[in-house]
Amino acid sequence: KQEVTQIPAALSVPEGENLVLNCSFTDSAIYNLQWFRQDPGKGLTSLLLIQSSQREQTSGRLNASLDKSSGRSTLYIAASQPGDSATYLCAVIYNFNKFYFGSGTKLNVKP
Amino acid sequence: SAVISQKPSRDICQRGTSLTIQCQVDSQVTMMFWYRQQPGQSLTLIATANQGSEATYESGFVIDKFPISRPNLTFSTLTVSNMSPEDSSIYLCSVGTTSSYEQYFGPGTRLTVT
Repeated sequence: KQEVTQIPAALSVPEGENLVLNCSFTDSAIYNLQWFRQDPGKGLTSLLLIQSSQREQTSGRLNASLDKSSGRSTLYIAASQPGDSATYLCAVIYNFNKFYFGSGTKLNVKP
Repeated sequence: SAVISQKPSRDICQRGTSLTIQCQVDSQVTMMFWYRQQPGQSLTLIATANQGSEATYESGFVIDKFPISRPNLTFSTLTVSNMSPEDSSIYLCSVGTTSSYEQYFGPGTRLTVT
């Protein structure tokens, strides 16, 4: 069974810091990988999708990288803001109905 | 990306009763899914909602407990039957793109069973 691990489970940083969230997966035969943000008690907001043929994707202050061979992805957040406080989830995609989610990293950005 | 709405947004129900959650998409989509997120946990796929046929359930989930309907390409319902406190979760519907399998999620339904 595919396992997706996210480290750290929780992170607290002062505003303005750059930070890295990690996602690792056991089966490297992925189709794509998707990063999400979830605010408390809410649904998921898609942040970035990285296709298996890509090494990274960027959107504003967010940059996600993918290293299939080592089973790792990172989400880099530049110049963090209090509004970035949320739980960040990565999902590894093997097929249209084979999504495996990590347990998330809960980020708190202090003003 | 599709705009997805869910009703109700939250509910408090008594054990033994059933609740039907609706998911509406603003465009026709092929793939729709239902997930459960138990408190403090990540997401678990319940089933793939197939238009015009029975849903495809994941291991550990059965139709008698979680009947799903999908009458057309923009709408689906999930019923949580004979509820117990262990069913207290956030239930989310999502839609997937056929090209990249990227998924978009609805706002979720927060269910509390007392």
